[in-house]
Amino acid sequence: GQQVMQIPQYQHVQEGEDFTTYCNSSTTLSNIQWYKQRPGGHPVFLIQLVKSGEVKKQKRLTFQFGEAKKNSSLHITATQTTDVGTYFCAGALKAAGNKLTFGGGTRVLVKP
Amino acid sequence: DVKVTQSSRYLVKRTGEKVFLECVQDMDHENMFWYRQDPGLGLRLIYFSYDVKMKEKGDIPEGYSVSREKKERFSLILESASTNQTSMYLCASAGVVSYNEQFFGPGTRLTVL
Repeated sequence: GQQVMQIPQYQHVQEGEDFTTYCNSSTTLSNIQWYKQRPGGHPVFLIQLVKSGEVKKQKRLTFQFGEAKKNSSLHITATQTTDVGTYFCAGALKAAGNKLTFGGGTRVLVKP
Repeated sequence: DVKVTQSSRYLVKRTGEKVFLECVQDMDHENMFWYRQDPGLGLRLIYFSYDVKMKEKGDIPEGYSVSREKKERFSLILESASTNQTSMYLCASAGVVSYNEQFFGPGTRLTVL
C-alpha cells in the first residue's frame, strides 16, 4: 500500500537557524498537505500543494511539491520558539479513495 | 468557528471491555475519519465515512468498528479492548472533496489496563 515517510524524525534547532523537513511517497500523489501539532494539541492544517513543482510560502515557512509529485519539503527560516511542535505531511491519492496517508512526523525542538 | 468535539479527553478501560468513542462535528461535513496516533508512527487511519451509514476501512481496522447514524456524529467502537489499543485517538472531518483540509478534534487518550 501507499507509504509516506518523513525525515528526520526529530530536529533540534537553535533559535534563529533554518531547517528543512522532507516527505517522500512511494507513489505519485494527487496532492500533499502539511499539518502542525503543538505539544498537547491536535493537528492543524497548514497548507495544501496540488501542482507539480509548486512552491508556497507562509511567512517564514516555505513548502515545495516535487516535480514528480512524490516528495515535498517544508523549510523554516529563522526558527522561533513558537515553531515547536510536530510537523506532518499527508499525501492524497485519488486511486486510494477519499483518504490521506500521513507521514510519521518531524518533531521540532527549539533551543533558545 | 469550526468545531470537532470528542466525548472524552482521557479514558481508562480494562481488557475485554467494550469501548465507545464519540465524535461530533458542526460543519455539516460529509466525510469523517478516525485515526490513532502512536509515537514515531504518525497518524494511522482506522476507518472513515463519506456519508451517513457509509463506512470504509482504513489501514488498521482490525479490532475496531464504526457507526455513523447521523451526519454530524461518527462513533468508534472497540468491541473487546486490548492493551495494544492503548493510544491517542483522533477524529477528523472534511468537506465534500475529502482530500481537502481535515479538521481534527482534541483527541481521546485511551489506556487499556
